[in-house]
Amino acid sequence: NAGVMQNPRHLVRRRGQEARLRCSPMKGHSHVYWYRQLPEEGLKFMVYLQKENIIDESGMPKERFSAEFPKEGPSILRIQQVVRGDSAAYFCASSPLPISGTSGYNEQFFGPGTRLTVL
Amino acid sequence: LAKTTQPISMDSYEGQEVNITCSHNNIATNDYITWYQQFPSQGPRFIIQGYKTKVTNEVASLFIPADRKSSTLSLPRVSLSDTAVYYCLVAPRSSGTYKYIFGTGTRLKVLA
Repeated sequence: NAGVMQNPRHLVRRRGQEARLRCSPMKGHSHVYWYRQLPEEGLKFMVYLQKENIIDESGMPKERFSAEFPKEGPSILRIQQVVRGDSAAYFCASSPLPISGTSGYNEQFFGPGTRLTVL
Repeated sequence: LAKTTQPISMDSYEGQEVNITCSHNNIATNDYITWYQQFPSQGPRFIIQGYKTKVTNEVASLFIPADRKSSTLSLPRVSLSDTAVYYCLVAPRSSGTYKYIFGTGTRLKVLA
């Protein structure tokens, strides 16, 4: 069972361009979460999606950022008109909610991240 | 979700036992304590979870005193490959909990 896949692993954009980050959850997982991590900081929650639905986007900046998780295909985090402050590592996680597994814990399985650099 | 406080960094030598303490004074009755590990250029990975007393798995042990206001992650006989950032999270154990808050974590550096 492959883990959470993210691509690209590294993305370089110039200011004003668009960035598209992709996340394929683990097989059987229909819940996806996006986090952002600035250098030397912890991960910050951005958005929680289920198939075709945004459940909680309270951590997303109000402008330029959007996310989707279509019925078919990966989840996409889209950043329009990127600025230097968007440079960060973006992590996707997935879970098989409702709770399953022996731990009974809503464990989130993280992908390797996409490192976005804005020049 | 309860706020946690951890040391910013720790150094250790190979073969030693490492104990990382996390403070969570405002922990709620239904909160569980969970530790994640993050290697450079990778996403966090679940290590261990507990509610009270002691929990042990193949990787680590978690010690939680009776008042649950702190917890200690214990890594036995660390190796160079244990160099990572360790995060302590406190959250209810339910399907409605998903917005995990990762603090700055503890950067553990294992020296030869």
